[in-house]
Amino acid sequence: SQQGEEDPQALSIQEGENATMNCSYKTSINNLQWYRQNSGRGLVHLILIRSNEREKHSGRLRVTLDTSKKSSSLLITASRAADTASYFCATDPGDKIIFGKGTRLHILP
Amino acid sequence: SQTIHQWPATLVQPVGSPLSLECTVEGTSNPNLYWYRQAAGRGLQLLFYSVGIGQISSEVPQNLSASRPQDRQFILSSKKLLLSDSGFYLCAWTFTSGNTIYFGEGSWLTVV
Repeated sequence: SQQGEEDPQALSIQEGENATMNCSYKTSINNLQWYRQNSGRGLVHLILIRSNEREKHSGRLRVTLDTSKKSSSLLITASRAADTASYFCATDPGDKIIFGKGTRLHILP
Repeated sequence: SQTIHQWPATLVQPVGSPLSLECTVEGTSNPNLYWYRQAAGRGLQLLFYSVGIGQISSEVPQNLSASRPQDRQFILSSKKLLLSDSGFYLCAWTFTSGNTIYFGEGSWLTVV
């Protein structure tokens, strides 16, 4: 079953603009993580935010978490062509790690 | 440091043939292990996970099975493949649940 749902499903922006992706989930979690996937490759970990945290930064990435709304957002600032990829949120209900369907981000030159 | 190896990278199999995908983790002990499937352009579907040797939890009833014969080895199998089994299969591991999950490079399976 899908735990996380990202939106939008696809996003195209100009290079240099900021990109925001959202994730909603259904059950209680310990942590929420964001991953990136380049086409046809494995997923790469971007950032983990714990359930008692509200915001976290890593370089050009900013993640927020609202456990009352069961939602998270990923902001990529000053986007670059190399940011073109699919982005997934992952949650951990118990020992499982469940991924959403992802947001396909395309950075236009 | 820890590494994860998954093979084969690609395979083309006829309908009704068996399948075996293998995954091993090095540099750690007693990892949580996961098998995911990703259809083209879609999200990741959790197929199986294991928190210890011989402990397998199945998420999706289908003609696939998983085994963990050794602490750091996770195998995905099928006795008879279906066309719908085609996809990108990813093995992954974590130290414990709730920690960063690390992925192998994946296996592309095409059933013809």
